Order: sequence, then structure tokens, then C-alpha cells
Amino acid sequence: LAKTTQPISMDSYEGQEVNITCSHNNIATNDYITWYQQFPSQGPRFIIQGYKTKVTNEVASLFIPADRKSSTLSLPRVSLSDTAVYYCLVAPSGGNTGKLIFGQGTTLQVKP
Amino acid sequence: DVKVTQSSRYLVKRTGEKVFLECVQDMDHENMFWYRQDPGLGLRLIYFSYDVKMKEKGDIPEGYSVSREKKERFSLILESASTNQTSMYLCASSLFRNEQYFGPGTRLTVT
Repeated sequence: LAKTTQPISMDSYEGQEVNITCSHNNIATNDYITWYQQFPSQGPRFIIQGYKTKVTNEVASLFIPADRKSSTLSLPRVSLSDTAVYYCLVAPSGGNTGKLIFGQGTTLQVKP
Repeated sequence: DVKVTQSSRYLVKRTGEKVFLECVQDMDHENMFWYRQDPGLGLRLIYFSYDVKMKEKGDIPEGYSVSREKKERFSLILESASTNQTSMYLCASSLFRNEQYFGPGTRLTVT
């Protein structure tokens, strides 16, 4: 199983772009990279998923280099409401093979 | 929208009691999961199920069991609750394994 490593915490200010990098050196060929967001006292919420290159949706962008050993979640122009814990997850997308591992996540604090 | 509901938001039980945590999803998802979340440890997978009556152990299954008799319902059972099982318990469901929808969580306190 691919283990992920991400910073424990990050600080930013409103309006800035935030990039959170996740390292997954042992990623397997059939693994996808998924990011979740969690607010206090709530369950995590799916943000974005990708396999390679770049994926963008209305919430974030996900950049994955060719070797796929890391990925970067990019949040454009953050606001106070983006203060949350962000988890990077690496696992096969389909079927019932393998287990899922959520790491400790990155606590993002957005300041005014 | 996918809705995942959990039977209780807060629960207080005594050591040695049998505890049932229930989770129901309304989107006909094949996969269902139980996690616990503790400060500094992130989310840890207890059990998951990819079909009715099917289950697989996650990373910390000791002290827990699960039941999935119907597709929409996944129950977590603590046969004999202990204080080290005080935690936030999160249920999730998914059609594709990596896109999981989480319930609001049950904060269980064992005294």
C-alpha cells in the first residue's frame, strides 16, 4: 500500500493561492490520488481525484507529475471558510482490492 | 445528493456494554466503511464491506465486528466496550472506492 506524507499544518491569508503537497513514493500503477476536506465536527468531503497530469474542478486543481510520486492540491484564492484539514489518499479506484489509508492530513489555517 | 446517516451523534456507554452503531445510505452504493478518528491519528479504517454479507478488516479491527444484512445498512458492533474505544466514529459509502461520502459521525464516550 502506498503511504502518503503531507505537512502537518499550513497557514495562509485570505485571497492567496494555497498549494498542499503529498508525497507517495510507493504509488502503484492502478492507484488514484484523492483529496478530502474536513471541517470540525463533520465527516470528510471528497474534493478531487486524479491519475496523472492535471485535474481541475470548481473547488480545486490537482497537479500530478509524470512519475506520480507526489501530487499537489491547489486552492485558488482561499477564504476563511477554507480553514479545514485536507487529506491525501492513494488507492485503487475500483473493485475491492486493497485497503484505504487516510494519513494525518494537513491542517490549513486561513487568516484574515 | 448522497445521504449517509448515522444512528446517533453522541453516545455514552459504560465499560463492558455491547454497543451498536448504525449507518444507512440512500444511494445504492456497493461499498461501505467504518472509520474512527482520534486527535493526532487521523482517520483509521476499522472495517469495510463491498457487498451484502461481505466484509473485510481494515487496519484496526480488534475489538470490533460488523454486520451488513442489507445493502443500505452497515452496522458496527463493539462487543464489550472499553475506554480506549472512546472516539469519533465515521461511516462512509461509495460507488467508486475512492469517492466516499461520509456521515456526520458518532462521538462515543465509554466510561
